[in-house]
Amino acid sequence: QVQLVQSGAEATKPGASVKVSCKASGYTFITYLIHWVRQAPGQGLEWMGVINPRTGGTKYAPKLQGRVTVTRETSTSTVYMELSSLRSEDTALYFCARERGGIAAPAKDFDYWGQGTLVTVSS
Amino acid sequence: QSALTQPASVSGSPGQSITISCTGTTSDVGSYNLVSWYQQRPGRAPKLMIYEVAKRPSGVSNRFSGSKSGNTASLTISGLQAEDEADYYCCSYTGSTLPYVFGTGTEVTVL
Repeated sequence: QVQLVQSGAEATKPGASVKVSCKASGYTFITYLIHWVRQAPGQGLEWMGVINPRTGGTKYAPKLQGRVTVTRETSTSTVYMELSSLRSEDTALYFCARERGGIAAPAKDFDYWGQGTLVTVSS
Repeated sequence: QSALTQPASVSGSPGQSITISCTGTTSDVGSYNLVSWYQQRPGRAPKLMIYEVAKRPSGVSNRFSGSKSGNTASLTISGLQAEDEADYYCCSYTGSTLPYVFGTGTEVTVL
């Protein structure tokens, strides 16, 4: 069965960086796009970026451009999201999600999600 | 690109039907039949309930249905059950530099 398993909670300070992992299993890793979505406490969902695991190509939300980097390691079927210059407003639950349909026919919605990783930014 | 507008809360009694609206613009909801809906229980990951405006993934109850008119999409839950209590988010593809925009979220309460 398809699973996306994320790394554990992180507590970090303003100005630092954090790197969250998302390990995929149950399907062919390089055939589906992986997205990152975050949710601040008590708030809604916010799209952050996407990676094509086959090519490594990425696209990011304009407001995060320059601070967010998504990479992948095909040998371990893992996607990473690194966010730098952290601020208190980056405190959130971070999710990875698979785009339904596969790279050949991307469907523009998300069928499987990781369990979420809480990132807390506080001095 | 602003978040899509949803009512903050909707409630209904067991067995009733409720409808959640999701209002966007001609740049998102109005331009693409690529609206999806997600159910999220507290502390859990979102679950895909509706895709491409009105299609249901395998395993999702047929009590959930979706539709769209102009810039507004809607999710209807019929035969409301206690297990339907959750937050619901719509999402639209935009084709822009911010390709996905989510709704503000709606808390559904079963009375």
